[in-house]
Parts: sequence; C-alpha cells; structure tokens
Amino acid sequence: GQQVMQIPQYQHVQEGEDFTTYCNSSTTLSNIQWYKQRPGGHPVFLIQLVKSGEVKKQKRLTFQFGEAKKNSSLHITATQTTDVGTYFCSPSGAGSYQLTFGKGTKLSVIP
Amino acid sequence: GAVVSQHPSWVICKSGTSVKIECRSLDFQATTMFWYRQFPKQSLMLMATSNEGSKATYEQGVEKDKFLINHASLTLSTLTVTSAHPEDSSFYICSVKRLAGGSPQETQYFGPGTRLLVL
Repeated sequence: GQQVMQIPQYQHVQEGEDFTTYCNSSTTLSNIQWYKQRPGGHPVFLIQLVKSGEVKKQKRLTFQFGEAKKNSSLHITATQTTDVGTYFCSPSGAGSYQLTFGKGTKLSVIP
Repeated sequence: GAVVSQHPSWVICKSGTSVKIECRSLDFQATTMFWYRQFPKQSLMLMATSNEGSKATYEQGVEKDKFLINHASLTLSTLTVTSAHPEDSSFYICSVKRLAGGSPQETQYFGPGTRLLVL
C-alpha cells in the first residue's frame, strides 16, 4: 500500500482556535480519504478527495488535495470540544486495492 | 445507520485460549472484508483481506496460522486468534468497502471494533 507522512502527531489547541493536519506522499496518489476516530471508538469515514486541487467543505472542516495529488490537508476552523479525536488520512495509489493509514494526528481541545 | 457490526466488543481471556471475532456486513453483500489491528496510540495496521469463498490474503509479518480467517458467506467474516498471548492484546477492527451515496468511488466502513485483552 501507499505510505504517507502525517503531521503533526499531536496538536493541543484552545477551543475556538483553528487546527490543520497534513498528509504527504512521495508518490502520486489516486485518491485520499480522511477518517476521524474518537477516543475509544472506531474510525469513521469523513471524506474522499479524488481530483487534483480539489477542495471540499463540511461545515467547519475544509479538505484539500494538492495539485500534484501528493499531499492533502484537513483544516478545522474554530475548534470545538466535539472535534477531539485522532484524524487519519488514508491514501490509495494507482492500482492499489487495500487501504493503509497515516499515523494520525491526535487533536486535543482545551475548553 | 451502521453498515458493519462486530461481536464481541470486548474479550478478556487467559493466555493460550482461542478467541473468535465476528464481522458482519448489515445491509449488503461483501465479497471482501478487511481486518485491522490497532495498538494503543498507534495507527491501524491492515492484517489481512478476507475473501468470500477463498483463502484470505495476509499482510507481510502476519501469521496466517495464528490469525485464522473464514469468510464463509457474503455477510460474515470471522477472525480467530489462536493460542492468544498477552502481546496479542489489541483493538481488532474489520471493515468493508462499498459505494457511498453519490460517489463513484468505494469508501471504507469500519465495524465498532473488538478489544482483546489476554491475561
């Protein structure tokens, strides 16, 4: 499967601050998916990005796929305590069937 | 609603016993299911791909004789951890791929996971 570097590993923010996590690949990706895992829970699919330069929004979450399809980011505006959890990116390369996961970014929100 | 269910959600067992975990796709037929393992504070690691009616495909480093996978029907895959030891204690999660509404691409849905503690 595709290997990616996800940064940062941990992020502590005050409630109301913004948060961004990045996922970088050395090779061109076919698509990338983002998941959120709450403490003690299982990963939940958030979104999939397929097109070069694609930007998708889900309320306060903005997802971007780089022009070269080698990197992606998830940005949360004005974090809330409900945003707490670990955010994983999961890339797929051309012809790749299984999904692998980045190491994840654990977000803590201080009320 | 839930797409995938897993049973049991918690298992505590003695070292040397075998533990069976079930994964069910709830409202569609899944010819392929995936089994992951997640250690505390780590990412998900794919263990094997379960194929209905044929042998599972194991990832490098995963012992197929220790982690037995049976995908006997289009809605059920089982993972049996044989002769479990404390180092097998982990969070085991299954998943299926299916088309999400409005998307031409398959997305992955995870079961709620099974926490295994081997004493």
